[in-house]
Amino acid sequence: KQEVTQIPAALSVPEGENLVLNCSFTDSAIYNLQWFRQDPGKGLTSLLLIQSSQREQTSGRLNASLDKSSGRSTLYIAASQPGDSATYLCAVRPGGGASGSRLTFGEGTQLTVNP
Amino acid sequence: EPEVTQTPSHQVTQMGQEVILRCVPISNHLYFYWYRQILGQKVEFLVSFYNNEISEKSEIFDDQFSVERPDGSNFTLKIRSTKLEDSAMYFCASLFWSQQFFGPGTRLTVL
Repeated sequence: KQEVTQIPAALSVPEGENLVLNCSFTDSAIYNLQWFRQDPGKGLTSLLLIQSSQREQTSGRLNASLDKSSGRSTLYIAASQPGDSATYLCAVRPGGGASGSRLTFGEGTQLTVNP
Repeated sequence: EPEVTQTPSHQVTQMGQEVILRCVPISNHLYFYWYRQILGQKVEFLVSFYNNEISEKSEIFDDQFSVERPDGSNFTLKIRSTKLEDSAMYFCASLFWSQQFFGPGTRLTVL
């Protein structure tokens, strides 16, 4: 059974700092990995999707990497801003044709960027 | 930009009552999902739906739950007899080009 873990559970940084959020998963047979942002009491906003054959994806100040063989992904946020404050979730989709498409989520990292 | 919508945003119900949560997936998406998030816990998969039938369900999705696509646009989750532990945020999602797009959620409170 796939397990997804995110470290740290919470992170507080001053504005302008670069930071890294970590995600690990136990079963490396994944189809893809998605990073989401969740604001308090709100839905999930997809930030980046990395296919299993890819090593990284970039969108603006965000860069996500994937090391499938070691079961790890990182989300790098450059020049953090107070508006980046939110919970960041990673989720993996299983690989293999008969594995379905359900996402398995980590617990999330709660990020606070202080002005 | 198209988005997944859900109604209501918040539903309060008495234990034992039936509730129906509604979702309008993005048009031309073909796979639909329900997830839930109990307060302070992980987002959990409930069920996926494709071609008018359930394609996958989790152990959470027991006989109390059912899904339906009653017309060409709506996708519903019904809980027949709600329990206190059903209180959670319920998210609908749809799949397009490997990416799942989530709605804003319905907060269900069972009293």
